Amino acid sequence: AQSVTQLGSHVSVSEGALVLLRCNYSSSVPPYLFWYVQYPNQGLQLLLKYTSAATLVKGINDFEAEFKKSETSFHLTKPSAHMSDAAEYFCAVSRPGIAGGTSYGKLTFGQGTILTVHP
Amino acid sequence: DTAVSQTPKYLVTQMGNDKSIKCEQNLGHDTMYWYKQDSKKFLKIMFSYNNKELIINETVPNRFSPKSPDKAHLNLHINSLELGDSAVYFCASSVWGPNTGELFFGEGSRLTVL
Repeated sequence: AQSVTQLGSHVSVSEGALVLLRCNYSSSVPPYLFWYVQYPNQGLQLLLKYTSAATLVKGINDFEAEFKKSETSFHLTKPSAHMSDAAEYFCAVSRPGIAGGTSYGKLTFGQGTILTVHP
Repeated sequence: DTAVSQTPKYLVTQMGNDKSIKCEQNLGHDTMYWYKQDSKKFLKIMFSYNNKELIINETVPNRFSPKSPDKAHLNLHINSLELGDSAVYFCASSVWGPNTGELFFGEGSRLTVL
């Protein structure tokens, strides 16, 4: 079984400050890891993904995340927060390549972290 | 031009009623999904279809019946609605394959059962 834990359901930063959203996972096989963002009244959209290539992954809007196997973590960072970053962020894990396709697109999500950005 | 569109966006209904949610994608994907987001914001997969064939059925009650008339459409019908069915239901689509993880989500359909 796999699971995702996001530390902190709410994170508040000032505009221009560092954003750090924490995600820890557990998986019995090497995982694929994702960060999704949900703006109010919209669906989730992919920010970035780790699929066993480079451990430091860059995504849209200057977000990046680092896969650390020893810490089972995939924390999301952005050097300088912008007001438009205010949203809810979800970390997710999948188990790639299981025969029969029953894992394709099957993501296990964390409970989400709401990011608030103050002027 | 919305990539994954769901209708209706809001549903308020009484216990015991039957309701449907429709989903359409214009991305040319061959795989579609239903995810449920509960009141604590946990998102969990319910079903997936690839080229109209059911692939994933995550121990969802029989009252939930998905139907995929073609690979661009996936509908969800719910019979005998219960209070616990209140949630936001998200449709999503992707390409099929072992590296699939990039899902394209609709805006969600918020179902409230009274």
